[in-house]
Amino acid sequence: DGGITQSPKYLFRKEGQNVTLSCEQNLNHDAMYWYRQDPGQGLRLIYYSQIVNDFQKGDIAEGYSVSREKKESFPLTVTSAQKNPTAFYLCASSIDREGWKGYTFGSGTRLTVV
Amino acid sequence: AQSVSQHNHHVILSEAASLELGCNYSYGGTVNLFWYVQYPGQHLQLLLKYFSGDPLVKGIKGFEAEFIKSKFSFNLRKPSVQWSDTAEYFCAVIPYNNNDMRFGAGTRLTVKP
Repeated sequence: DGGITQSPKYLFRKEGQNVTLSCEQNLNHDAMYWYRQDPGQGLRLIYYSQIVNDFQKGDIAEGYSVSREKKESFPLTVTSAQKNPTAFYLCASSIDREGWKGYTFGSGTRLTVV
Repeated sequence: AQSVSQHNHHVILSEAASLELGCNYSYGGTVNLFWYVQYPGQHLQLLLKYFSGDPLVKGIKGFEAEFIKSKFSFNLRKPSVQWSDTAEYFCAVIPYNNNDMRFGAGTRLTVKP
């Protein structure tokens, strides 16, 4: 079955360390997205990519980096510059079909800084 | 700044009560509108979406939403809630000529049995 796979499901990081969250899709979607979910703040867009080798900052990109070397993969690195990295991270992909846009979400990665 | 606003942070209802959750957006022009639900410990799940046509949209599990363009609103309704509707509900918007989805802060619904 097609879908989005995020790994790992739970991740613990020591302060000062970079960590990379994986997101892979086999839906042949062109666009991919990273969101951060915090209680009471909904989902906020970190980065998005419309096409391979191209990506744009979302609303809260500081302290994060991404790459899009392959269509099916969009890894997110949480760097030590991110002041408050403990959160739930969701990856999504979308397809633009005849004027409407369908999003598919992954199951998320919960990152805890210890 | 352009945004999506959900008016209620936490709503508590008894079973069989009617539900209306507010959502307003500030983007001009044509928009795509969505409501998502997240049950405790589960993924985001699409309840319903609006792209064009009839502004009253019916979704899964008895939910519906009405798009009122003049009010920039897309409120979610259900005539009679059940305990199993306890979840967090998110309104989301994709502005015209854009691909990235913007979310409201969410409304937590608690239904008492």
